[in-house]
Amino acid sequence: QVQLVQSGAEVKKPGASVKVSCKASGYTFSNYVIHWVRQAPGQRPEWMGWIHAGNGVIQHSQEFQDRVTFTTDSSATTVYMELSSLRSEDTAVFYCARDPPGSGYYDYWGQGTLVTVSS
Amino acid sequence: DIVMTQSPDSLAVSLGERATINCKSSQSVFHNSYSKSCLAWYQQKPGQPPKLLIYWASTRESGVPDRFSGSGSGTDFTLTISSLQAEDVAVYYCHQYYNYPRTFGQGTKLEI
Repeated sequence: QVQLVQSGAEVKKPGASVKVSCKASGYTFSNYVIHWVRQAPGQRPEWMGWIHAGNGVIQHSQEFQDRVTFTTDSSATTVYMELSSLRSEDTAVFYCARDPPGSGYYDYWGQGTLVTVSS
Repeated sequence: DIVMTQSPDSLAVSLGERATINCKSSQSVFHNSYSKSCLAWYQQKPGQPPKLLIYWASTRESGVPDRFSGSGSGTDFTLTISSLQAEDVAVYYCHQYYNYPRTFGQGTKLEI
């Protein structure tokens, strides 16, 4: 069955970076785009960008463009999101989500990774 | 950016009754190439990721109970739960995937 399993919770200081992993299984990894979504407590989800797991093509939200890096490791069927220059408003749950080819909606989501930014 | 606005922000419905949630986009999300509206609905329970219910505005995801239905086109959309069950208590979000940045509604909290 399709699974996206994310790395565990992180606590970071302002100005630091965080790297979150998303391990995929149960489907052909290279055929799909993986999106990243930030959800602050009590807020709506916020789209950060996507990476194509097969060819590494990337698109970022302008909101995060200068601070976020997406990478992929095909041998490990894992996608990574690194967010730098963390600030308090980055305290949120970060999700990876799968986008079926030719669609745009998200049919499977990771369980989420809580990142807490605090001095 | 396309702004997605849901109404109401919260809703209390009796068990077995109908629940209706609306979503309005600031511009049309109808994709001429697909002849479909690029609009999805998700259900999110506390401590869980969103779960896909409806895509292309009215296509129910596999495994989703048929009491959930989506309708609408262009800029105005509706999620209907025909007979509310206790397990339907959650926050519901609409999501446009017509263009970038992808955007979500503010959510509607559904209670019994």
